[in-house]
Amino acid sequence: GENVEQHPSTLSVQEGDSAVIKCTYSDSASNYFPWYKQELGKRPQLIIDIRSNVGEKKDQRIAVTLNKTAKHFSLHITETQPEDSAVYFCAARYSGNTPLVFGKGTRLSVIA
Amino acid sequence: DAGVIQSPRHEVTEMGQEVTLRCKPISGHNSLFWYRQTMMRGLELLIYFNNNVPIDDSGMPEDRFSAKMPNASFSTLKIQPSEPRDSAVYFCASQLAGGSSGETQYFGPGTRLLVL
Repeated sequence: GENVEQHPSTLSVQEGDSAVIKCTYSDSASNYFPWYKQELGKRPQLIIDIRSNVGEKKDQRIAVTLNKTAKHFSLHITETQPEDSAVYFCAARYSGNTPLVFGKGTRLSVIA
Repeated sequence: DAGVIQSPRHEVTEMGQEVTLRCKPISGHNSLFWYRQTMMRGLELLIYFNNNVPIDDSGMPEDRFSAKMPNASFSTLKIQPSEPRDSAVYFCASQLAGGSSGETQYFGPGTRLLVL
C-alpha cells in the first residue's frame, strides 16, 4: 500500500522567511496530494491540493510542487507570519474511493 | 452546511466503561472515516465506510473497538471496555467519493477522550 514520508518533523523560521516541507510517496499510481493545516486544539483543514496532471499550484503565500518522476511533493510558504504556526500534514491518494494516507506531520513555528 | 458534526466534544471516563462517539457527515457525502490522533502515533485511520458499508477496518486496534454506520447521516465508534491507552482525539471525516480522486476530505471538530 501507499506510504508517505514527511520531513522535517519540526521547523522553526523567522517571521518573513520562507518555509518548505517535503513529502515522498511510494505508490506511483497516487494522483491526488492535499496539504492540511492543524492549529493547536483544532481539526485538520485543507489549505491546498494538487493533482498529478499539474506540476505546481499557488494560492497567495502558499504553493505546492509535485515531481511525479521522483515521487515527491513539497509545500512552500513565503513571507511567513506567526499565524502560520501549526502542524502541517501532507497526504496522498490514488483513487477517489480510497482513504488518504497521511504523513506524520511537521510542526512549524514562526518566530516573531 | 454545518460541516461534519461530532459529539461529544470532550469525554472523561473511567477505565472499563463503554464509550460511544458519534458523527454526522456532511449531507450528500458518501464516504466516512474515523481517525485517532495521538502525539506518539500521529493521525491513524481506524476504519472507513463507503455508502454506509465498512470497507477497511484493519486500523481498528482491538476487538474492543467497533464502528457502525446505520444510515448515510450517522456513524458511531464504540470502545468497550475503555482503557487509559485509548485516550486520544478521535476525528470523523467525510467526503464525496466518486470516479475522480480530487474530492476534498473534511474533518469534524474531534472528540477528546480521556480514560482514567
